[in-house]
Amino acid sequence: AQKITQTQPGMFVQEKEAVTLDCTYDTSDPSYGLFWYKQPSSGEMIFLIYQGSYDQQNATEGRYSLNFQKARKSANLVISASQLGDSAMYFCAMRDRTSGSRLTFGEGTQLTVNP
Amino acid sequence: DAGVTQSPTHLIKTRGQQVTLRCSPKSGHDTVSWYQQALGQGPQFIFQYYEEEERQRGNFPDRFSGHQFPNYSSELNVNALLLGDSALYLCASSLEAGKSSGNTIYFGEGSWLTVV
Repeated sequence: AQKITQTQPGMFVQEKEAVTLDCTYDTSDPSYGLFWYKQPSSGEMIFLIYQGSYDQQNATEGRYSLNFQKARKSANLVISASQLGDSAMYFCAMRDRTSGSRLTFGEGTQLTVNP
Repeated sequence: DAGVTQSPTHLIKTRGQQVTLRCSPKSGHDTVSWYQQALGQGPQFIFQYYEEEERQRGNFPDRFSGHQFPNYSSELNVNALLLGDSALYLCASSLEAGKSSGNTIYFGEGSWLTVV
């Protein structure tokens, strides 16, 4: 069975600084994908970044990068140059071959960016 | 290019009533999944539709049912509403797993359901 663990219920960061949000996962399938989503208070789940288990390089999308450590089963999200608009809930999720496009989510991390 | 659209955005129902939520997937996507997100928790998978059939189901009772139409849009129906059904209901669209590179899963803005 798949499992996603996000151990930081809340994180605080100063504007313009970098922040790392932790995510560890568990699956017995060697082929899987890891996702990060941002959820503002409005509720929409906004796709940020994706990492496939066979990808050779860490994924990057603008200010977002994924620190993928396969042996440790971790997929931490790094946000550089934080902005006030980054304040939101962040979810790590995964899928594997048995789940298809069904995602398993973690409990989320509430990020607050301070001016 | 329209993204995933859901309706209604907010609704209030009384215990015992029935509710129908609607979702139109992103253009080009053929698979629709529904998730329930209770306050302060991560989304939980309800079920997934592909080719107008339920392909996967999470741990939800039969009161939760769905449908997919030939144009790939989908409905989520919940019967005999309970107070505990109050949640944000999210629709996700994607390509069928065999067709997709794996990273094309997009969500709508959700439907906030309050049961009183």
